[in-house]
Amino acid sequence: EDQVTQSPEALRLQEGESSSLNCSYTVSGLRGLFWYRQDPGKGPEFLFTLYSAGEEKEKERLKATLTKKESFLHITAPKPEDSATYLCAPGRVGNFNKFYFGSGTKLNVKP
Amino acid sequence: KAGVTQTPRYLIKTRGQQVTLSCSPISGHRSVSWYQQTPGQGLQFLFEYFSETQRNKGNFPGRFSGRQFSNSRSEMNVSTLELGDSALYLCASSLRTGGDSPLHFGNGTRLTVT
Repeated sequence: EDQVTQSPEALRLQEGESSSLNCSYTVSGLRGLFWYRQDPGKGPEFLFTLYSAGEEKEKERLKATLTKKESFLHITAPKPEDSATYLCAPGRVGNFNKFYFGSGTKLNVKP
Repeated sequence: KAGVTQTPRYLIKTRGQQVTLSCSPISGHRSVSWYQQTPGQGLQFLFEYFSETQRNKGNFPGRFSGRQFSNSRSEMNVSTLELGDSALYLCASSLRTGGDSPLHFGNGTRLTVT
């Protein structure tokens, strides 16, 4: 059965305190792993796509990595404006193309 | 380039009524997907349209329906509203159908059913 699990559910960091968010998945026919950021009252905003194990993508203080079963979103020296909910979504192609969204990690960075 | 536009932003309806939500995708995007987001269930896939054809459907009752027009704009309809339909409804567009092209979301329609 296809499933996605994100951990932790919530994470509180002090400004400058680096950490990692985890996305574990079991999805057949995986095409890519997508990360999104969602601010309160807004739709998710696309961040990265990772297509193969070992691939890494960076954007400002964020770096996403991918293995065969997990993806990590590393946050280096976060700032309060990085506070948001981060969602991962493995994308499947095949007879039933779709995205499986995790429940998200709510990040709060305190100044 | 204009993003995904959803209207209206907020709706308050009474149980038993029906509602229509509208979505204008990014220019050039032919795939439009709809999602329901609630605090308890997260993002749940409703359906996807590509070139006016429904390509995929999630596990929602038949009260939830949609359509896509020739200009790729999409509408979603919910009939016989129930209290549990209160949620943020998100529309997303993408270049390609399926799970290999990033989704670009609108800011949603917040539906409250009383």
